[in-house]
Amino acid sequence: GQQVMQIPQYQHVQEGEDFTTYCNSSTTLSNIQWYKQRPGGHPVFLIQLVKSGEVKKQKRLTFQFGEAKKNSSLHITATQTTDVGTYFCAGPNVLRGNNRLAFGKGNQVVVIP
Amino acid sequence: NAGVTQTPKFQVLKTGQSMTLQCAQDMNHNSMYWYRQDPGMGLRLIYYSASEGTTDKGEVPNGYNVSRLNKREFSLRLESAAPSQTSVYFCASNLDSRYTFGSGTRLTVV
Repeated sequence: GQQVMQIPQYQHVQEGEDFTTYCNSSTTLSNIQWYKQRPGGHPVFLIQLVKSGEVKKQKRLTFQFGEAKKNSSLHITATQTTDVGTYFCAGPNVLRGNNRLAFGKGNQVVVIP
Repeated sequence: NAGVTQTPKFQVLKTGQSMTLQCAQDMNHNSMYWYRQDPGMGLRLIYYSASEGTTDKGEVPNGYNVSRLNKREFSLRLESAAPSQTSVYFCASNLDSRYTFGSGTRLTVV
């Protein structure tokens, strides 16, 4: 079946440093989404990428969709303590219809002050 | 503009007890979902409803039932709770592929 894989699963990042988290799909995606879940909270939609090679920025966050539309990345610069949480990527489940997302297992980020 | 509301927020059940988790959205979304989240497992889909009156099984439906009462409400029922159902449960709704999640129900089965 379709798989969405995220690497790494865990990251410890020093405050002020940059980091990147990666997402890979076993199938070509029509779009990819990113969500953030703060500790003890619920996932919150961050962004959706649709076009091949698309790059979008939100302040210190840069999201990229691969040319083949099978991978994506999230790069955060100058990490702050507010960046702590788990970042999920998700893409439409091609086997079950575009209304159902296949989520990766997430990248849990710990920020070291 | 409450979004997706889940009740209760916390619950402790004894093995074999039953309960219903409630979910309601006020965004007029057609699709609604129930997920469970366990450490290291990410979000796993339990059941899904594409529209009022329709439901479909997800990855981990065993031990659960759902009801799509109307467009707003989608409930999840545990008929006979088991310790393996200890988890955090999230309800979500969907518009244009963007999911809006509720704040979750933290369920412990002892």
